[in-house]
Amino acid sequence: QSALTQPASVSGSPGQSITISCTGTSSDVGSYDLVSWYQHHPGKAPKLMIYEVTKRPSEISSRFSGSKSGNTASLTISGLQAEDEADFYCCSYAGSSTYWVFGGGTKLTVL
Amino acid sequence: EVQLVESGGGLVQSGGSLRLSCSASGFSFSSNAMHWVRLAPGKGLEYVSAISSNGGSTYYADSVKGRFTISRDNSKNTLYLQMSSLRTEDTAVYYCLKDLNSYGFDFWGQGTLVTVSS
Repeated sequence: QSALTQPASVSGSPGQSITISCTGTSSDVGSYDLVSWYQHHPGKAPKLMIYEVTKRPSEISSRFSGSKSGNTASLTISGLQAEDEADFYCCSYAGSSTYWVFGGGTKLTVL
Repeated sequence: EVQLVESGGGLVQSGGSLRLSCSASGFSFSSNAMHWVRLAPGKGLEYVSAISSNGGSTYYADSVKGRFTISRDNSKNTLYLQMSSLRTEDTAVYYCLKDLNSYGFDFWGQGTLVTVSS
């Protein structure tokens, strides 16, 4: 069982928006603004999409955005495109004893 | 272009050992902390180990503590993970990650598959 809880799957049609939640505790997501999101196309290297809750690497589309409220972080993808279909994982810093924890992953299907 | 290329995975019997390597290029390897993360079949990502830029500080998840050893050779731009006393639950794809100034991980390798048979 993963430390962070994500829905197993989400889906949306091209052009729509979807949100993936990532629920942790007051020891990880709730305590640190160090949540990151990764997109993984199976067989390829996972890709950083969001870091520090809301920041986006320069090469990542503005269609991807992150937020956090309490112990839950969220990744929103607007204007869904076929190539967005992938697995998405959240990650949070959890202190010097545990370091980093991950979510179980969410499979995004673009209908 | 940043590249991380893992190698050394394979099939090993329970109780056996393997050494994974991660060859890094395209950035100042000696200036960055590095990490290992694994993805087991049907499960989520699990954080495994970390090492500081000069190798002087390391971290291990409880699940691998005492069995795995992380190390690096900055002269060869290579990260290692020595795995011993392997268990079937260590079966996973192992990824090498570059640290993003302690904010997360900005580059991942494609992974190397480790299969531990009983």
